[in-house]
Amino acid sequence: EVQLVESGGGLVQPGRSLRLSCAASGFTFNDYAMHWVRQAPGKGLEWVSGISWNSGSIGYVDSVKGRFTISRDNAKNSLYLQMNSLRAEDMALYYCAKGGIERGLDYWGQGTLVTVSS
Amino acid sequence: QSALTQPRSVSGSPRQSVTISCTGTSGDVGGYNYVSWYQQHPAKAPKLMIYDVSKRPSGVPDRFSGSKSGNTASLTISGLQAEDEADYYCCSYAGSFTWVFGGGTKLTVL
Repeated sequence: EVQLVESGGGLVQPGRSLRLSCAASGFTFNDYAMHWVRQAPGKGLEWVSGISWNSGSIGYVDSVKGRFTISRDNAKNSLYLQMNSLRAEDMALYYCAKGGIERGLDYWGQGTLVTVSS
Repeated sequence: QSALTQPRSVSGSPRQSVTISCTGTSGDVGGYNYVSWYQQHPAKAPKLMIYDVSKRPSGVPDRFSGSKSGNTASLTISGLQAEDEADYYCCSYAGSFTWVFGGGTKLTVL
């Protein structure tokens, strides 16, 4: 059974940093691209960042470029999102999702909540 | 990286059909056959319903179908059931390893 379990969310002050993690199991992690997708309270889904199976391709939504860094450790079956210079508008539930260019995002975690407030 | 455009809400009666549109540009929806659709019930994670414009993952009922014409993709749900009431999001690959979602559509089953 595919499982994606996010962690690392919490309350953080504006301008500070947070590192999210996603532990993957039930599939061959290093065969698949992975993504972070966020959802602000009461709002829609927003794709944040994606990374290919070998970290050779990485993309970000414009609003986080230069502040967020996605990475993965295939030996640990883990995906990460380093978030720096956090802003109020980054406050959201952050989902980890599996999927590549083809076949969509076929598995999602339950999310980890990031609250940005002073 | 502008969000794809979806109607904010649609509704239909049980056993009827509804179609949700998703309009983008030639840089996303129109440029790639990599449109996917997600169903999200309240306080739940999204679920993949359609990928690569019109393909259904295993376990998704064939009442759900997808299509695309130019810069607009569509999700059609036929034979509406009460459990179909949810938010639906389209998503498209947008090149350079980036993706973009639509704003979401709330489906109400009357």
